[in-house]
Amino acid sequence: EIVLTQSPGTLSLSPGDRATLSCRASQGVASSSLAWYQQRPGQAPRLLIYGASSRATGISDRFSGSGSGTHFTLTISRLEPEDFAVYSCHHSGGSLGDTFGQGTKLELK
Amino acid sequence: QVQLVQSGAEVKKPGASVKVSCQASQYSFTAYYLHWVRQAPGQGLEWMGWINPNSDATQYAQKFQGRVSMTCDTSINTAFMELSDLKSDDTAVYYCAKVRSIFTAVDAFNLWGQGTVVTVSS
Repeated sequence: EIVLTQSPGTLSLSPGDRATLSCRASQGVASSSLAWYQQRPGQAPRLLIYGASSRATGISDRFSGSGSGTHFTLTISRLEPEDFAVYSCHHSGGSLGDTFGQGTKLELK
Repeated sequence: QVQLVQSGAEVKKPGASVKVSCQASQYSFTAYYLHWVRQAPGQGLEWMGWINPNSDATQYAQKFQGRVSMTCDTSINTAFMELSDLKSDDTAVYYCAKVRSIFTAVDAFNLWGQGTVVTVSS
């Protein structure tokens, strides 16, 4: 199974800052299989990015995804108060099964 | 609107089984694979497996093989996840999630249920 490792575990920033979150895979994965989710306390996850770089329906253009192979990045420009949440990456592995990263908590500085 | 509505919270004793339902609305239920994901308190998301509502084909995470069963009742657009031989570390919120694209399990999840809290305690 492919292991996804997210860093940092916690990121402390202020509104208006730029956030850069990392997701590293234990072996190379197809970009088409990598997604990012946002999860606010007490809520279900929400799809932000699929195919490593495509924004899901209704997602602000402040969210962008990039990367390939073993290293993927989620960038949030100009943080707004509602962006402070937990972010998880997800690999759709087919016959290998799916895996999630352990999450990055974006907290208010 | 397009949504997945899950059954209510459950409290179970160790060794018991739990069956969680997930009812789909306003989309073609048999066209989209459904996955199940759980989240223990304060922990990350953990993938459990998927079911194809069109064929009842399933794939389960190795960790849950032999303990989990995923089924569907297409007459009521509902998927079920049953987990047996419950232990305290099965205490978690259980989610169903629909994939973006038709007729594939390999895709991001663009629609989630609200979650079902399952507590395992003696």
